Parts: sequence; C-alpha cells; structure tokens
Amino acid sequence: NAGVTQTPKFQVLKTGQSMTLQCAQDMNHEYMSWYRQDPGMGLRLIHYSVGAGITDQGEVPNGYNVSRSTTEDFPLRLLSAAPSQTSVYFCASRQDRNYGYTFGSGTRLTVV
Amino acid sequence: AQSVTQLDSHVSVSEGTPVLLRCNYSSSYSPSLFWYVQHPNKGLQLLLKYTSAATLVKGINGFEAEFKKSETSFHLTKPSAHMSDAAEYFCVVNKNQGGKLIFGQGTELSVKP
Repeated sequence: NAGVTQTPKFQVLKTGQSMTLQCAQDMNHEYMSWYRQDPGMGLRLIHYSVGAGITDQGEVPNGYNVSRSTTEDFPLRLLSAAPSQTSVYFCASRQDRNYGYTFGSGTRLTVV
Repeated sequence: AQSVTQLDSHVSVSEGTPVLLRCNYSSSYSPSLFWYVQHPNKGLQLLLKYTSAATLVKGINGFEAEFKKSETSFHLTKPSAHMSDAAEYFCVVNKNQGGKLIFGQGTELSVKP
C-alpha cells in the first residue's frame, strides 16, 4: 500500500515551459486535491476533485489545469510556468469528508 | 465563511514540558477540524481529527485536542514534549462537503534539550 505518490520530487523549469506534476493514490479514495505551500502562507488549495470526471477550482487556480479520468490519478498541469509558481506542491486524497487527508511527500518546483 | 487562525507562528518548549499550540476557527456550521504535522522536508501527516463526536480527541504520538464550541477553539496539547516533536503544525477546518480545506498559517514547534 503506497498511499499517495507524487512525481517528480524536484523540478526546475524555465519561464514559459509547461509540465505535469503526477499524483497517484492506491486507496480508492474519491476526494483528491492539490495544494501549494509557500513560506508564511500555509497551504492553499489549487484544484480539487470529488470523483472521477469531476473537478473544481480552489482558491489559487490560475495557471493550473487538472483532470480526473480515473479514481487513482490526479495530474496537475502548469500551462506556462512563471516564477510566481515556484513553490512546494502537495497532492492529497481522502475517503470522504469525515476523514483526514493523506498527503504525498511533495514536489519542489523552481521556475527560473 | 470558514477560517482558521493559529495564534502563534512559533512556539519553543523544553523537552519534557507540556506543549500547547493554539487554534481558533470560524465556521457557519458544525465543522470538521484537523491537526496535521509536517517534519522538515516531509509531507503532511494527520495527527488527529474532530468530526462532531467526542469533544476531546486523541491523536497519534500522545497529542490530543479539545473542541470548545463556546470559545471556537481547537487547541493541540501534549503533556511532555520530545525532541522528535519539533516540526510545523497546521490546524485545518473543512469548508464543505467537497475537498476544500482551509489551512492555518502553521505553528513551528521547537524543542530544546
């Protein structure tokens, strides 16, 4: 049982490049979310999903896209990377509202 | 609107002394509340959760938290700090039926030998 797996762990991008952060969970959780963590700002929700085929925006969605074609996978796409997107990104999943999230180990992204 | 405020950005205690990390929340309905811990360069781990059952919630590693509706608080405590408790702690409130969680700013806990 691997939990929530995020890849890559580290990434450096040039401004304007695009990339996809991968997230996979093997717990058959319906709820999945992406957060970014910035110093002094806690974690902020980017996008979330309540099941396959269903996604919605969080508080900081601009510059990011998501899709949820399967229960297991919830990739986060950066369309055109900007220095303001330098952050640590966490993917998380949970069974339902009454359960806490299980977080991945994070992806540290630097945009230069 | 739901929000959560962690009252201390940094708390320093000596090993073996009690830990108190303070969290106040606001919510227009009965919330679900969580505490998470993040060790340096690690992901977040769930410590404990409150979901309208017992007001005193016991978590992992000897931590517990008490939900006080009258004070809109959910403070995290531990009777005796260990060096391994040094980490950042996040108080979190569930916003709605979906995946939206609201995170506090975090409290960094330092433990002195």
